[in-house]
This record gives sequence, C-alpha cells and structure tokens, in this order.
Amino acid sequence: GAVVSQHPSWVICKSGTSVKIECRSLDFQATTMFWYRQFPKQSLMLMATSNEGSKATYEQGVEKDKFLINHASLTLSTLTVTSAHPEDSSFYICSAGTSGGTGELFFGEGSRLTVL
Amino acid sequence: QKEVEQNSGPLSVPEGAIASLNCTYSDRGSQSFFWYRQYSGKSPELIMSIYSNGDKEDGRFTAQLNKASQYVSLLIRDSQPSDSATYLCAGGRGNTGKLIFGQGTTLQVKP
Repeated sequence: GAVVSQHPSWVICKSGTSVKIECRSLDFQATTMFWYRQFPKQSLMLMATSNEGSKATYEQGVEKDKFLINHASLTLSTLTVTSAHPEDSSFYICSAGTSGGTGELFFGEGSRLTVL
Repeated sequence: QKEVEQNSGPLSVPEGAIASLNCTYSDRGSQSFFWYRQYSGKSPELIMSIYSNGDKEDGRFTAQLNKASQYVSLLIRDSQPSDSATYLCAGGRGNTGKLIFGQGTTLQVKP
C-alpha cells in the first residue's frame, strides 16, 4: 500500500500555544488528504478535507480558524492547532488515497497531542 | 442514526475460532467499504476492501457485502491472539477518499 508519514508522533505543549503537525505522502502524490481526530475509545471523526492549492473543506462543528490546514504541495499537508487548550488533546491522524484508486485510505502514524 | 454502525463489543473468541464482525450503513449511495484494524495507540491499518455484493476472501479474512440489506461483515478464521484489536468499518462514495467510520468493534482472542 501507499505510505503516508506523519510528524511529530507525539507532542506536549502548554495551553495557549500553537502546534503544527505535518503529513506527507512518501511514494505518491495526493491532491487530497484527510485529517481525522480520535478521542480515547472513540472512532475516527473526520475534521477536514485538505485540497492541494485550495482551501480546506471543514466538517460541521470544526472551527476552521482554530485548526488551520495548508496543503501547499502534492505531498505535504499541515494541520496547525492554534491556541491549543486541554480539550484539544487527542490523537490526530492524516490520511490520503492514491489518484485513480478505488477509494481506500492510507493512514499516517498519527500524532498524539497533549495540551497541559 | 449514525451513518455507519458497529457493535462496540468487546467480542471475545477463543484462539482458533472464527470471529464475526458486523457493520450496517445508512447511506445507500455508499459504494465502497473497508475494514481497518487498529491496535491501541496506533493508526488504522487497511485489511480488506469490498465494492460489490458477495464475498471477498484474502487469507484468513473474508469480507461480505449485502447492499440490499446495507450490511457489511468481516470474518476472521483461525483467530490468533495477535488479531486482538479494534476493527473499524468504513464506507465511502466512489473514489473520493472521504470515508465515514463506525465506532469500531473491539475483538479479544483468548489463548
């Protein structure tokens, strides 16, 4: 399968600071990437669809000014959690599918964010 | 009603038995279905994909799809303790890549 890499795998920050998470497709180009969030013992919740060269599409209830998404190239999307608070602590996972594929998603390793 | 529903479990089976995981979906426009395995603290890993009615087998895994009943299942034969994980069912439309996930079923395979 296609390889998606995420960095950092875990991060601890103070309340009020911003954190950037990177998602890279290593062996394919991804015009679209997806950002999910997962709280303990819950399923993956789609936050936004990241589109290369255009604005991200956010799911209902996700604050676009808090979760900034930039998809500047065909292999890199970034998620910045601005002014993070303890309730933003979660497991953030990016994913991408290959062009012309049949819809399956390949996931990055995930980034565990802890806001103190 | 959730778009993709799964029994959260835990489902407990003895080693060597068949584990049966079930999933229903509400969006009749869904055309592609996937089963992901997620170990605790890790990201999901694709196990099976299925797009047409019937069965699809891959090693010890068999996925079943019944679009009329809006039902997807995953059978794991000869279950091993290493199969113990949460199994996520996901559905999507076409090849957009946008998938909706169920809440996952926790499987415990006891030695």
